Amino acid sequence: NAGVTQTPKFQVLKTGQSMTLQCAQDMNHEYMSWYRQDPGMGLRLIHYSVGAGITDQGEVPNGYNVSRSTTEDFPLRLLSAAPSQTSVYFCASSYSRRSNTEAFFGQGTRLTVV
Amino acid sequence: QQQVKQSPQSLIVQKGGISIINCAYENTAFDYFPWYQQFPGKGPALLIAIRPDVSEKKEGRFTISFNKSAKQFSLHIMDSQPGDSATYFCAARETSGSRLTFGEGTQLTVNP
Repeated sequence: NAGVTQTPKFQVLKTGQSMTLQCAQDMNHEYMSWYRQDPGMGLRLIHYSVGAGITDQGEVPNGYNVSRSTTEDFPLRLLSAAPSQTSVYFCASSYSRRSNTEAFFGQGTRLTVV
Repeated sequence: QQQVKQSPQSLIVQKGGISIINCAYENTAFDYFPWYQQFPGKGPALLIAIRPDVSEKKEGRFTISFNKSAKQFSLHIMDSQPGDSATYFCAARETSGSRLTFGEGTQLTVNP
């Protein structure tokens, strides 16, 4: 049972480059989300999806795009990388959007933009 | 603005001691309060959670205390062990369940 799988684990980008962070879950969860983790700021919500074809913005969406074409996959796209996007990115999924369901996190992607 | 405020930022405790981490929130629409534990290089994992209709929940050495009127909740780790050394995040989720809002995190170190 793989749970939530993120790739790559590490990435270095040059300013202005674009890339896609991959996230896949095999638990048939309908709710998926992306967070970024920065020192002293906890985890901040970037984008989330309540089901295939439905996405919405979180707290810090600027500079990022998402899509949800299947239940399993929720990729995060950086359109034009900036040093301010240097962070650790986590994808999470949960069974439903009900408040008391556990969120399962991937291992994270450490991104450095130079 | 940070909707969930967590303190302290870091905490050092001796083995066998009690670790206490505090969180406060403003949004009265929050109705689910989980705590997540994160080890270096790993994603956060659910540790324990509470709903506001109870004032305390205990699971082994971990206890959440909840004060609805003060809009505060805290994590107590009894008999702290070196293996508890990790970063702890409090969080809160609204009734609609569409967003999980995290505190800033507390880096706990338990010395042997």
